[in-house]
Amino acid sequence: AQTVTQSQPEMSVQEAETVTLSCTYDTSESDYYLFWYKQPPSRQMILVIRQEAYKQQNATENRFSVNFQKAAKSFSLKISDSQLGDAAMYFCAYRSAYNTDKLIFGTGTRLQVFP
Amino acid sequence: NAGVMQNPRHLVRRRGQEARLRCSPMKGHSHVYWYRQLPEEGLKFMVYLQKENIIDESGMPKERFSAEFPKEGPSILRIQQVVRGDSAAYFCASSLTGFNTEAFFGQGTRLTVV
Repeated sequence: AQTVTQSQPEMSVQEAETVTLSCTYDTSESDYYLFWYKQPPSRQMILVIRQEAYKQQNATENRFSVNFQKAAKSFSLKISDSQLGDAAMYFCAYRSAYNTDKLIFGTGTRLQVFP
Repeated sequence: NAGVMQNPRHLVRRRGQEARLRCSPMKGHSHVYWYRQLPEEGLKFMVYLQKENIIDESGMPKERFSAEFPKEGPSILRIQQVVRGDSAAYFCASSLTGFNTEAFFGQGTRLTVV
């Protein structure tokens, strides 16, 4: 069975600075997808970024980028030029490429952004 | 284009009552997933349904919980005889084909059992 681990319950960053959120996962599958979701106080789950395991290039979406290390089964999220609106819970998630669209989530990291 | 719609947003039930949570998928989507988020935890998969079929219910508690996705109308997650431990946020997500397509989430229903 696949598992996703987020070892940082809380992180904080100053506005305009950079922060990295960690995620590791365990799987025996060779092809899969990894995601970072943002959950603000409104509870809406917002997809931040997606990485396909067979792509070596790290995904980037504006100020958000990932460091995907397949051999180490590591998938960290870097937020550059942090903004107050980035404050939220961040969840790392795994999806098999062989199965349904079912997602397996980590326990989340609460990010605080200070002015 | 309406997104995934869940209602109600908040639901309060007394212990022993029934809770019914509704999810209307995105237009054109016929695959629905239900997740539960306990306080201070991540989302946990409960069940995956296509129209009129339960495909994967490996995350559903064995008793008191059931789900359906009829040919017409929303998907329903039903919790009978609720207990305090059922208090959580319940999220629905829908996808186009159920395989290698993005899942879109609703805003969730927060169930409080008093």
